[in-house]
Amino acid sequence: SYVLTQPPSVSVAPGKTATITCGGNNIGIKSVHWYQQKPGQAPLLIMYSDNDRPSGIPERFSGSNSGNTATLIISGVEAGDEADYFCQVWDSSYDYVFGDGTRVSVL
Amino acid sequence: EVQLVESGGGQVKPGGSLRLSCTASGFTFSSFHMNWVRQAPGKGLEWVSSISGGGEYIYYGDSVKGRFTVSRDNAKNSLYLQMDGLKDDDSAMYYCARVTYSGSYLCDNWGQGTLVTVSS
Repeated sequence: SYVLTQPPSVSVAPGKTATITCGGNNIGIKSVHWYQQKPGQAPLLIMYSDNDRPSGIPERFSGSNSGNTATLIISGVEAGDEADYFCQVWDSSYDYVFGDGTRVSVL
Repeated sequence: EVQLVESGGGQVKPGGSLRLSCTASGFTFSSFHMNWVRQAPGKGLEWVSSISGGGEYIYYGDSVKGRFTVSRDNAKNSLYLQMDGLKDDDSAMYYCARVTYSGSYLCDNWGQGTLVTVSS
């Protein structure tokens, strides 16, 4: 099966940049999607196809994907960005795979 | 506005059964694949099952294969998950999610979830 590896936590000061990685074997050839989940809420799609934002998602959120690492970047972090972030890929061999999630804490 | 509302969760003993429902609105339900995704308390997301728009293609995660059955009624804009032979490990929040495709499949809209607790 395919494994996605995320750091358990990332801490960032308000106004700074948070970088969340998602590692996987040759993930650069796959399409990576990202979800944000705030406490007590359902997941919310915030990035799809590596670096496309759904309508309503601020431009502060951006993404990239190359080699063995996909990255979600949150620029100008705000208190409201505190949440768990999950990466996800799909393949016909293993269907949907999610990373274990990264908790972003705003200092 | 896309809305997905799950129901049917509750507490059940190991070996028991439960049927979850998800009612959709705000989009043409029959045109979309749908997923069930679960999340155990304090854990990550785990894909459970997928069903195509017409119900012809059905897939399950290894942990539920042979025990869970997904179905849909497009006339009622509803998605179902029949869960039999429940185990402690099946305790989780169960979300239904609409599936779309952009480079690969993804879940673009999620319901608020329904909680399943398996305990003796």
